[in-house]
Parts: sequence; C-alpha cells; structure tokens
Amino acid sequence: GQSLEQPSEVTAVEGAIVQINCTYQTSGFYGLSWYQQHDGGAPTFLSYNALDGLEETGRFSSFLSRSDSYGYLLLQELQMKDSASYFCAVRDLGYSTLTFGKGTMLLVSP
Amino acid sequence: DTEVTQTPKHLVMGMTNKKSLKCEQHMGHRAMYWYKQKAKKPPELMFVYSYEKLSINESVPSRFSPECPNSSLLNLHLHALQPEDSALYLCASSQRESDTQYFGPGTRLTVL
Repeated sequence: GQSLEQPSEVTAVEGAIVQINCTYQTSGFYGLSWYQQHDGGAPTFLSYNALDGLEETGRFSSFLSRSDSYGYLLLQELQMKDSASYFCAVRDLGYSTLTFGKGTMLLVSP
Repeated sequence: DTEVTQTPKHLVMGMTNKKSLKCEQHMGHRAMYWYKQKAKKPPELMFVYSYEKLSINESVPSRFSPECPNSSLLNLHLHALQPEDSALYLCASSQRESDTQYFGPGTRLTVL
C-alpha cells in the first residue's frame, strides 16, 4: 500500500515564501503530484514530478527526491488567494490510480 | 475545451430516492474517475473507467452504481443511500489511466 505524510496546517503572510513537505511510502513509485483545493471547490492540478529535481511553474515550484521518498511544493510571493488546502498524491508503479495525502491547509494573512 | 463538468452542483435526497450524478468531458480523455470527499479529508477513489470499461472498483457498496455510456460521459446512479454517504462527489478524467487527472467542480450530496 501507499502512505503519505504532510503537515496539517501552515501559516504565512502575504509576499512570503512557504514550503509544504510530503514524505511517502509506496511499494513502487511512478510520480508525485500536487493539487490545490479551495474551500468548497474542486482539486486543481498544480504540478507533477516523476524524476528527481525541481519543476517550476510561475510562483509555484515542486521538488522530488526519489532516494529520500520526499517532495515539496514551494509557493513564492504568497497572495491571499493562495489560502487553500494542498494535497500531495502518489501514483504507484503498476497501480495507476492516485493516493492522496491528508492535505495541508495554508492560511495566508495580510 | 479543457474542463470537466458535473451536474447537479447540489443534490438533496432521501434514503429511498433514486438519483444520478452526471459528469462530462470533451478533452478526448479515455480514463474517467469517481471520487468521494468528506469535509477536511482527501478525495477517496471509488471507480475508474478506462476506455469505457470499469477497471477499478474500490469495494464500493452496491448502492452506488457507475455507468459510462460513451467516452465523454460518466454517470453515478444512487439508490437507497445512507446519511453517511453525504459528501462531495468528484469526477475526474485523464488522457489515460497513468496520466494527470483533472477534476470537475463536484456535486455536493446531502442524504436525509
């Protein structure tokens, strides 16, 4: 089976940088995804890492270290609208579906 | 068109009712999914359809019955639900089963 650990809550102020960590245990590994979900909304795809290293998309970056079974989502120049829940999710090799972490609630204050 | 649509947005039903949730995508994706999400929890996979065939059923009770009439549509038929089935039901699609999934806005279901 798969298990993922991420912090339950992170707080930051506008303009700051925040990092949300995710560690995982899987019997195989195919890739790590990140989703954003605003309260009452649908999960929105942010990024996907299959290989080690950093992927950058605008203010958001995602990092993966397969040897450490670890990844993180980096959010820069935080804005109030970034307040949301962020889920990491893994796809297990040979098992094509996603398993989500419990989610990290990010609260951005003025 | 890069979105997944779901209807209705909200649904209230009694335990003896029969209702259906609908999901549609026009991205040419060949894999479609149903998830259930409770408040403050992550989405939980219910069903996966690949090329219009059911490929995964995560031991979901038979009161939930999925249907994939064609490659663009996915239905979830509901019958004799329980109050604990109240949740946000999310549909998602991906190019194939192993690809990135894109979610619809969900149906907020309340069972009385």
